[in-house]
Amino acid sequence: GQSLEQPSEVTAVEGAIVQINCTYQTSGFYGLSWYQQHDGGAPTFLSYNALDGLEETGRFSSFLSRSDSYGYLLLQELQMKDSASYFCAVRDPPPRDDKIIFGKGTRLHILP
Amino acid sequence: NAGVTQTPKFQVLKTGQSMTLQCAQDMNHEYMSWYRQDPGMGLRLIHYSVGAGITDQGEVPNGYNVSRSTTEDFPLRLLSAAPSQTSVYFCATSKGTGELFFGEGSRLTVL
Repeated sequence: GQSLEQPSEVTAVEGAIVQINCTYQTSGFYGLSWYQQHDGGAPTFLSYNALDGLEETGRFSSFLSRSDSYGYLLLQELQMKDSASYFCAVRDPPPRDDKIIFGKGTRLHILP
Repeated sequence: NAGVTQTPKFQVLKTGQSMTLQCAQDMNHEYMSWYRQDPGMGLRLIHYSVGAGITDQGEVPNGYNVSRSTTEDFPLRLLSAAPSQTSVYFCATSKGTGELFFGEGSRLTVL
């Protein structure tokens, strides 16, 4: 089975940088993705890492270390609109590589 | 393009009633899935399908049935609703890249 751990809450200041960590224990692994969800909304895709290293998309970056079963999401130049929940999720290997299991989420609070 | 459409958006049921949550997509994605979201529990996978005629169980399949007769539709059936099934349900699709596209959600209350 799959098990993911991420902090339940993180607080940061507007304009700062914040890192949200995710560790996973899986019977198989094909990639790690990150999603953002605002209150009352649906999750939206942020990034995906299949290989070790850093992927950058604007203010958001995501890192993966397969050997450590660890990844993180880095948010830079925080804005109030970044207040949301963030979920890491693991993807099963083929042939069930579209089976995606989510962590419980990290609530990000941003202070002005 | 509508993307992923879920109906109804809100539903109240009594214990023991049955209902179907509908999910339709016009993105021509092979993969479709259902998740439920409860406070503090994240998104939990109920059932998923990798194509028409193929379905499989996720993390929390008990109490739910699915079928996939077409690429476009993936209904979720509750045969005998229980208060424990009170939740927000999300349908999602994927084109095989690991990126999920979600519907807006269906909020279900079972009394």
